[in-house]
Amino acid sequence: GAVVSQHPSRVICKSGTSVKIECRSLDFQATTMFWYRQFPKQSLMLMATSNEGSKATYEQGVEKDKFLINHASLTLSTLTVTSAHPEDSSFYICSARGTGGLGGYTFGSGTRLTVV
Amino acid sequence: GENVGLHLPTLSVQEGDNSIINCAYSNSASDYFIWYKQESGKGPQFIIDIRSNMDKRQGQRVTVLLNKTVKHLSLQIAATQPGDSAVYFCAENNDNAGNMLTFGGGTRLMVKP
Repeated sequence: GAVVSQHPSRVICKSGTSVKIECRSLDFQATTMFWYRQFPKQSLMLMATSNEGSKATYEQGVEKDKFLINHASLTLSTLTVTSAHPEDSSFYICSARGTGGLGGYTFGSGTRLTVV
Repeated sequence: GENVGLHLPTLSVQEGDNSIINCAYSNSASDYFIWYKQESGKGPQFIIDIRSNMDKRQGQRVTVLLNKTVKHLSLQIAATQPGDSAVYFCAENNDNAGNMLTFGGGTRLMVKP
């Protein structure tokens, strides 16, 4: 079945630094990637949607200059949290979908970000 | 459907019993629904899906029921096992929303041995 690999699984960074999270579709071409954020005991909240080769579409309230999304290839999307602050500490999850829905909505394993 | 989870209700069941997890959605235009299982520290795992032209779909030990009249979705797990302990989310999609999924608030299932 469709597999999405997300790295790193957990990262600790200092306040003010930037962190990059990678999401790769291993056995299908992901024309669309989704990035979610999940706080403890809460549901997944969509941050942005990116289509390969296009600029990401951000949900209301998500700062595009803070959460940089790159989807330059059909198998890789990255989320960079810039100038991280403790309130950015969260569980970030990517999801990928191929052309015509190929791969369904396959999720990565998530990245636990802790900003100290 | 823009349910936002601010807390996680918990369903506690005895091992071997059947579990029923419910989800209400608000967008009557939603036409595709998915149930996900999420274990601690992991990403959501697909369980079963259903389209709006159906009202019931069965998988292995799981059944999803869709009632479009009252905008209600349920997940039934037969003979619940300790490994079923996790948080369960429903998610919905509609053509007007493009490809995006909107997640419900989630329910924590605890299976007592």
